[in-house]
Amino acid sequence: DVKVTQSSRYLVKRTGEKVFLECVQDMDHENMFWYRQDPGLGLRLIYFSYDVKMKEKGDIPEGYSVSREKKERFSLILESASTNQTSMYLCATRLAGVGEQYFGPGTRLTVT
Amino acid sequence: GEDVEQSLFLSVREGDSSVINCTYTDSSSTYLYWYKQEPGAGLQLLTYIFSNMDMKQDQRLTVLLNKKDKHLSLRIADTQTGDSAIYFCAESSSNDYKLSFGAGTTVTVRA
Repeated sequence: DVKVTQSSRYLVKRTGEKVFLECVQDMDHENMFWYRQDPGLGLRLIYFSYDVKMKEKGDIPEGYSVSREKKERFSLILESASTNQTSMYLCATRLAGVGEQYFGPGTRLTVT
Repeated sequence: GEDVEQSLFLSVREGDSSVINCTYTDSSSTYLYWYKQEPGAGLQLLTYIFSNMDMKQDQRLTVLLNKKDKHLSLRIADTQTGDSAIYFCAESSSNDYKLSFGAGTTVTVRA
């Protein structure tokens, strides 16, 4: 079974703080994704990485950056957290190409 | 997602069938998925269908695809309390890494 873990289930940060969300997978998948989930909006893609050190912007990259130094780890960085970044953040992985994405349990981030 | 639409809520009695509907706009969609999200958890793939299929059945789940109308549905037979969750419809095309998700349908199963 694919296992996708996220560093925290719940996180509370203050406005202006730098925030790191970590995602680790154990299945040697090339592709990794960061989404945010908001009620009534579904999942929106923030960033995508198709391989180590490779990244592409998704639909809502503003205010976020990512890092993929190793294949198994994909980090989402909020350089200066703002209250409108309060959300559920979901990481997903996929073997290269089109197909099923496997999701982590999510991190619920609150920015106060 | 603006390209995939679903109704937001569905209430169903235990033992009845649930039908969740989804429409999409991308005519090049190749794969269509149904994901389930239980409270406090990530998304889990329930089933998927290729665009050259009309129907797929997997135990209590039946997926129907009307490609002409760009309409996808998920039927859950004999709905149980464990089926209470948010169900997401998603689509992707063969030349695109992205999945476009609907807003999710919250299914509540009442006794």
